[in-house]
Amino acid sequence: NAGVTQTPKFRILKIGQSMTLQCTQDMNHNYMYWYRQDPGMGLKLIYYSVGAGITDKGEVPNGYNVSRSTTEDFPLRLELAAPSQTSVYFCASSYVYEQYFGPGTRLTVT
Amino acid sequence: RKEVEQDPGPFNVPEGATVAFNCTYSNSASQSFFWYRQDCRKEPKLLMSVYSSGNEDGRFTAQLNRASQYISLLIRDSKLSDSATYLCVVNIGTTGNQFYFGTGTSLTVIP
Repeated sequence: NAGVTQTPKFRILKIGQSMTLQCTQDMNHNYMYWYRQDPGMGLKLIYYSVGAGITDKGEVPNGYNVSRSTTEDFPLRLELAAPSQTSVYFCASSYVYEQYFGPGTRLTVT
Repeated sequence: RKEVEQDPGPFNVPEGATVAFNCTYSNSASQSFFWYRQDCRKEPKLLMSVYSSGNEDGRFTAQLNRASQYISLLIRDSKLSDSATYLCVVNIGTTGNQFYFGTGTSLTVIP
C-alpha cells in the first residue's frame, strides 16, 4: 500500500495563477482532509470530506475549493493564488480517528 | 481563543531524561485526543491516542484530565531519536470528524 500520496512535492506560483494539488489514498478511507501548516504553527483544516460526493469547509477555506468524486481522490484547487497561501499543504485520510498524512506539498506564491 | 494550546518549548534535555508536555483544550465537548509526532519537514504521524484512563506505550505515557481540560505526554529515558515536534490534537466530535491541532512542542534530546 502506498498510503496517502500527494503531488506535486514543490511548486512556485505567481500571484493570480491557479493550480490543483492532488491527493490519493489507497486505504479505502471514507474521511479525507486538507490542512495547511505555516512556519511555527499548527495544522489548520481547510476542507474535509466524509465520503465521495460530500465535502465541507474547515477553519480556513477561503481561496480554496475541493471535490470528491471518488473515495480515493480529494484534489484541492487554489484559484487566484495570493502570497498568504504560501504554506505546506498536507492531505490526510482516516477510517475514523487515526489520520494518515501524505508527505506534503510545499507551495510558494510570489 | 485557540481550540488547543501547547507550550512551544523548545525543550532541550539530555539523553535518559524524563520530559513532560502539557496541552490544554477549550471545548468541553471534545471527545477524542491524540499526540502526533512531526519530524522536521515531514508529515505528522500518530504517536498515541489518549484515553480517559490514561495509557502507556513503552516509554511514553499519555493522560487526560477532562475536569481541567488538559492532556499530557510523558517521555521516559529520552533517546536521541525522540527529537521532534509533538503535536496535541483534539477531535470535537461534530459531524465530519474535525480535528484541531496545537502548534506543537519542540523537543531536542542532547547526547
